[in-house]
Amino acid sequence: DTTVKQNPRYKLARVGKPVNLICSQTMNHDTMYWYQKKPNQAPKLLLFYYDKILNREADTFEKFQSSRPNNSFCSLYIGSAGLEYSAMYLCASSREGRYEQYFGPGTRLTVL
Amino acid sequence: AQKVTQTQTSISVMEKTTVTMDCVYETQDSSYFLFWYKQTASGEIVFLIRQDSYKKENATVGHYSLNFQKPKSSIGLIITATQIEDSAVYFCAMRDGGNYKPTFGKGTSLVVHP
Repeated sequence: DTTVKQNPRYKLARVGKPVNLICSQTMNHDTMYWYQKKPNQAPKLLLFYYDKILNREADTFEKFQSSRPNNSFCSLYIGSAGLEYSAMYLCASSREGRYEQYFGPGTRLTVL
Repeated sequence: AQKVTQTQTSISVMEKTTVTMDCVYETQDSSYFLFWYKQTASGEIVFLIRQDSYKKENATVGHYSLNFQKPKSSIGLIITATQIEDSAVYFCAMRDGGNYKPTFGKGTSLVVHP
């Protein structure tokens, strides 16, 4: 089973309000990633966990937080949503030694 | 730093023909991994095929195959006998051997006509 699950699938948020997105995988993958995807653009890596170590990209360091309480679960937290956060948020996981990523179906976030 | 470039923004082909999508990459690492992914109309991204830099043989999975030209830093995706359901956006990606951060290209949109 190579399933990565994300909840919710659609999220409507107000400007300035927090947003929490959830991802889970049961493949025992050691690395979990969060991407932001906008139309006609490459997926933009926001952060990733290798085991319990969080790595955040320099240009999104202050905008996104994450937690990984166990191997299977990872969240993405936006403290104060802005209009520019409207996008598809994709979670992915990979296993050491395999390197390819398995993506979830995504959460489509709309900020109004 | 890694860089992946897909110069074809969109390709249109007839069903049952063969299509090649181009991708060139840049890396300082001698060991790296190259991938192709497919984004379906629903937005979901699916892993298709992978090429390890140290392997000389081109990878093949089903009707997907790769044209790996290491001296040219090129990894083309070849789809044979295209089907309508192959219509999607295809992303080329790479990852250095010692790096957990993949880099994606901007994607190539493929439309397969009946």
